Amino acid sequence: AQKVTQAQTEISVVEKEDVTLDCVYETRDTTYYLFWYKQPPSGELVFLIRRNSFDEQNEISGRYSWNFQKSTSSFNFTITASQVVDSAVYFCALSEAGAGNNRKLIWGLGTSLAVNP
Amino acid sequence: DVKVTQSSRYLVKRTGEKVFLECVQDMDHENMFWYRQDPGLGLRLIYFSYDVKMKEKGDIPEGYSVSREKKERFSLILESASTNQTSMYLCASSPVGGYHNSPLHFGNGTRLTVT
Repeated sequence: AQKVTQAQTEISVVEKEDVTLDCVYETRDTTYYLFWYKQPPSGELVFLIRRNSFDEQNEISGRYSWNFQKSTSSFNFTITASQVVDSAVYFCALSEAGAGNNRKLIWGLGTSLAVNP
Repeated sequence: DVKVTQSSRYLVKRTGEKVFLECVQDMDHENMFWYRQDPGLGLRLIYFSYDVKMKEKGDIPEGYSVSREKKERFSLILESASTNQTSMYLCASSPVGGYHNSPLHFGNGTRLTVT
């Protein structure tokens, strides 16, 4: 069965610190997708990144970077030089590829990040 | 700018009322979804639709129904609201493709309180 674990429920950092949000997943499929979403206090979830299982290259987008390691079934998210605007709940999600109505997006429970000035 | 709009940000209803939550997207997306979000339980899929007049049950469809008469609009219906349906409801859409493989575009959410 699919499963996504975000072990860190809450993280609190001071502005300009680097912070890593962990995501560990379980799947029996060889083809799957991994996602990160951000939910700021306003409530609207915003898509950040999608990674497929065949692309283990790390991704960097500004202060955001993602480390995908199939060997440890992890897809961790690092924010460098955090800012107050990064305060949000971050969700990791997993989807097995392929057709079929029984394939669903599995969500982690989220990590609440507070960046303090 | 692409947009998913949920008709109400906050809603208070009484037990037993029939409740309609409306969602409209302007991106011409085929897929639309209704989730509920509760503390400690994360996001749970209620229903989704991959085409007009088509619907599929998610993980927690009991007590809910949906309607998709037009491509841009996906309605969630609580036939007889109960207090355990007090929650944040999130609508999302995604373009054609694997229903759950494409990035989702979310609305701002509707916080429903049933008293």
